[in-house]
Amino acid sequence: AQKITQTQPGMFVQEKEAVTLDCTYDTSDPSYGLFWYKQPSSGEMIFLIYQGSYDQQNATEGRYSLNFQKARKSANLVISASQLGDSAMYFCAMRENSGGSNYKLTFGKGTLLTVNP
Amino acid sequence: ETGVTQSPTHLIKTRGQQVTLRCSSQSGHNTVSWYQQALGQGPQFIFQYYREEENGRGNFPPRFSGLQFPNYSSELNVNALELDDSALYLCASSPAGGLTLPYEQYFGPGTRLTVT
Repeated sequence: AQKITQTQPGMFVQEKEAVTLDCTYDTSDPSYGLFWYKQPSSGEMIFLIYQGSYDQQNATEGRYSLNFQKARKSANLVISASQLGDSAMYFCAMRENSGGSNYKLTFGKGTLLTVNP
Repeated sequence: ETGVTQSPTHLIKTRGQQVTLRCSSQSGHNTVSWYQQALGQGPQFIFQYYREEENGRGNFPPRFSGLQFPNYSSELNVNALELDDSALYLCASSPAGGLTLPYEQYFGPGTRLTVT
């Protein structure tokens, strides 16, 4: 079974509108972390936001927020007030802490976001 | 503060050859991870180095090997290249073994390897 599932291969949004990118995960580890990264066409992975499994509040970073629903095992990324520069691939990733010091990230297949003017 | 750098940017090799990719970690980071990203896929974990020792490995054959140096820079070596090795290879660094906040890994721009 896939550990990280991103069901939206592509999404379109109008500039200045909000968009939600979906991510569901599968783990039996009670302690884990969820990440979202942005990958522009240049290839570099840019860290956006982190949510720990024990965090009581949803993470927010500027225009990015993470809608964390632990019981549903979902960690959707919400981008508010979309900008043309937000057009990129977006990856959801998970770190399972039972792996000890092995800091391995498991990534989904990504969602290609296109922001239209 | 210098970010993660990788060299070369692009590389073309022939099947059966060997290749070495290089990564300089961000200042103060002692952990380096390597990922392979095939076209249209998410990155897949190859292995991680922490204080010059391999600290975990993904589902990759032994012809994928690595090194970490005292200055925490790292190399990824791939022997007997196959066509399926064509991918973007990403290096990521993190501080303190990734066990302390911030937990995020900082990625370099990647090396795009083409095997013909």
